[in-house]
Amino acid sequence: DVKVTQSSRYLVKRTGEKVFLECVQDMDHENMFWYRQDPGLGLRLIYFSYDVKMKEKGDIPEGYSVSREKKERFSLILESASTNQTSMYLCASSLAGTGVNEKLFFGSGTQLSVL
Amino acid sequence: AQSVTQLDSQVPVFEEAPVELRCNYSSSVSVYLFWYVQYPNQGLQLLLKYLSGSTLVKGINGFEAEFNKSQTSFHLRKPSVHISDTAEYFCAVSAEGSSNTGKLIFGQGTTLQVKP
Repeated sequence: DVKVTQSSRYLVKRTGEKVFLECVQDMDHENMFWYRQDPGLGLRLIYFSYDVKMKEKGDIPEGYSVSREKKERFSLILESASTNQTSMYLCASSLAGTGVNEKLFFGSGTQLSVL
Repeated sequence: AQSVTQLDSQVPVFEEAPVELRCNYSSSVSVYLFWYVQYPNQGLQLLLKYLSGSTLVKGINGFEAEFNKSQTSFHLRKPSVHISDTAEYFCAVSAEGSSNTGKLIFGQGTTLQVKP
């Protein structure tokens, strides 16, 4: 079964810190995604990637960047964390070619608190 | 552009009772529709999806959903719920033909609380 692993379940950082959220998938999926989940707002797409070194902005990319140096790993970077980035961050992956006809596999999430 | 509205933020129900979680969408093009479930402290899992064909879609754990194009709805139903169905449920939509994007638009979520 597909496994999407996010490196931290809980993370506490201070305002202005640079924050790295790591995600690794073990099924050779081409597509990887970062969402944030907030109560009452559902999930919103931050960035996604179709291939190594390729990235595209989602709906709310401001204040974030990403890195995909290897196919299995997709990192979300908060260059200077702010309190409004306190949220649950979810990583997901899927096969290429079939796109949304196939399901997204999600990690368990990282709850980030910025103080 | 697409949007999704889940009409209830919380749905309390007693065990073994039927339940319906409501979802309406808006789109200028044909869509694919999904329901995902998130159990406590876990990521989301696909419950069911509508791509084409029969408007009644059956998913895992006894859930089903009906696509109604005229009412732009995709409500989720289960005839008899269990305590283990307590979770948050998300409706999601994507534009038909948007292959390889994975750009699902999610609703706000509905928390199903099953009481003994």
